[in-house]
Amino acid sequence: GAGVSQSPRYKVAKRGQDVALRCDPISGHVSLFWYQQALGQGPEFLTYFQNEAQLDKSGLPSDRFFAERPEGSVSTLKIQRTQQEDSAVYLCASSLAGLAWYEQYFGPGTRLTVT
Amino acid sequence: AQSVTQPDIHITVSEGASLELRCNYSYGATPYLFWYVQSPGQGLQLLLKYFSGDTLVQGIKGFEAEFKRSQSSFNLRKPSVHWSDAAEYFCAVGFDQTGANNLFFGTGTRLTVIP
Repeated sequence: GAGVSQSPRYKVAKRGQDVALRCDPISGHVSLFWYQQALGQGPEFLTYFQNEAQLDKSGLPSDRFFAERPEGSVSTLKIQRTQQEDSAVYLCASSLAGLAWYEQYFGPGTRLTVT
Repeated sequence: AQSVTQPDIHITVSEGASLELRCNYSYGATPYLFWYVQSPGQGLQLLLKYFSGDTLVQGIKGFEAEFKRSQSSFNLRKPSVHWSDAAEYFCAVGFDQTGANNLFFGTGTRLTVIP
C-alpha cells in the first residue's frame, strides 16, 4: 500500500516568506506527527495530532509555526515569515492507535532552504 | 530529562564484517526502543522495535538489537554487512507516560561500507 507522502520534496524560500508543507498519512492512521531534522541531527518532535485534534504542540519552536489537520487525514505545516534557522528537513510520520502508536511510519520529508 | 545517546557519529566497516552500533538512553523506567535507518533523500524506515519480553529482537534486513536494562543500552548488530547497508542509523525511544507524545531520537550514526 501507499506510504506517507509529503509535498513539496524541496522548497526554497526567501527570508520572510510564508511556506506550507503538506503531509498525506497512511490511510487509516489516526496519529500524525511532524518532526524537524536539522543537518547532521536526529529528528526533533514538533507536534502531534490524533485524528483532527492537535494534542501536543510543545515542540513548535515559535508562534510562526502552525499545523492543522482539519479532516483528520491530510496535514499542513505552515511557517510564517521564514528565517534562516528554519532551514531543515521536515518529516511527517503516521501511526495507528494503541501500542502501535509508537511504530511511526515516516514520509520522505520536505527539505526547506531559507535564503 | 529523557535523552538518547549515539556515541559514534561515523563508523566505517568492510563489506562482510560484523557491525555494532551503540545506543544509550537516560530515563528511569523501561522505555520502548526503536532503530530506524535513513538512506540519502529518504524517510526513516523502522528496522526493529522493543516493547517488552525477549530482550533480543530481530528486525528486517538481518539486523538485531539487544536491550540491556543494566546498561540502559539498545545496541544494533548485524553479523555481515552488505554495501547496501550504508546509511544513517537512528536510535529512538518512546515513553509510556502522559504528555510524552513523541519519539526521542539520537543524533544518528553514519555507516560507511567499504569493499
